[in-house]
Parts: sequence; structure tokens; C-alpha cells
Amino acid sequence: GAVVSQHPSRVICKSGTSVKIECRSLDFQATTMFWYRQFPKKSLMLMATSNEGSKATYEQGVEKDKFLINHASLTLSTLTVTSAHPEDSSFYICSASSSRDSTEAFFGQGTRLTVV
Amino acid sequence: GQNIDQPTEMTATEGAIVQINCTYQTSGFNGLFWYQQHAGEAPTFLSYNVLDGLEEKGRFSSFLSRSKGYSYLLLKELQMKDSASYLCAVRGGADGLTFGKGTHLIIQP
Repeated sequence: GAVVSQHPSRVICKSGTSVKIECRSLDFQATTMFWYRQFPKKSLMLMATSNEGSKATYEQGVEKDKFLINHASLTLSTLTVTSAHPEDSSFYICSASSSRDSTEAFFGQGTRLTVV
Repeated sequence: GQNIDQPTEMTATEGAIVQINCTYQTSGFNGLFWYQQHAGEAPTFLSYNVLDGLEEKGRFSSFLSRSKGYSYLLLKELQMKDSASYLCAVRGGADGLTFGKGTHLIIQP
């Protein structure tokens, strides 16, 4: 199957700082990338959908100024958590697909963010 | 809106069969996915159904009834490594997936 690489896998940052998470599709062109968030023992919640070269579409309740998403190329999307606070501590996962009708969403390995 | 229901936890015996049900009410439907997720890891793809019926893939099978808003994941010949959370997810009108809360499956010897 296709490979999606997410980096870093774990990050600890101080409250008030910003953290950037990268999501790369290694062997296919990802026209669409999705960012999810998962709290402990909870399901994944879609945060936003990004299409290459256009602005991301955020789900209701997700602050676009706090969670900055950039999808500058067909192989790279980034999520930047700005001015992080302890409540932003979570597991962030990206997924990528090569088309709107893709029958499979390929997930990155996830990033465990801890804000102290 | 989207609503996906699946049992919170199930227990089964090694070597047996278990069926995990999922019901959904969504504003659109463009496919139902099942994922396996071990603690602290990203989900891994198990199956995809967009038409009614049964899809079989080795020890795993998935069934869909669109008229009933119902799917199940069937796991046969259970192994200890099958202990994980199983997530039902629906792709509605939007591109992203809406996930159920997951079913934590415990396999006992």
C-alpha cells in the first residue's frame, strides 16, 4: 500500500510555543490530506481537509487561526499548532488520498503532542 | 449531521469468531470503512464497503446494508494480536471520514 510519513512521532513543547507537524506522501501524489485529532480513549475527530494549493476546510469548532494547515505541494501538508496550551495535548494523525473517490485513506504514524 | 454507533467493548476467545456491529445515520454516504487501531498507533485499513453485501478478506469480512444504515466486521479464527480497537468510519458528503468511537476488543486465551 501507499506510504504516508508523519513527523515528528512525539513532541513535548512549552505552553505558548508553536509546533509544526509534517505529513508526507512518499510514493503517490496526495491531492487531499486530512488532519485528525484523537483524545485518549476517544475516536478520531476530523479537524480539517486540505487540497493542494488551496485553503483548508475546517470542521465546525476547529479554530483555523490556532491550527494552521498548509498543503503547498502534492506530497506535503503541515499542521502548525500555534500558541499551544496543555489542552492541545493530543494525538494528531494525518491521512492522505490520491483522489476524492479513493477507497482507502492512508494514515501517517501519528504525532503525540504534549504541552507542558 | 453524522452519527455512528458501535459497542464500546467486546470480549472473545482465541480461535473463536466475533462480530462487531456499526450503525450509522449520515447526511450522505460514499462508503464505509473499518480500521484497526492498537493503542498509541495510527489506524490501519481493514475494509471498505460502498455497495450492499459481504466483502471477504482473509480472516476479516465486512458487511454493509445501506437501507438499514448497518455494517458489521466479522473476525474469524481470533488471535491474541487481534486485541485492539476497531473503528467504523463513514465517508459522507464531505471528503473526510467520520469515525465511530471504536470498539475495544479483548481476546482471552
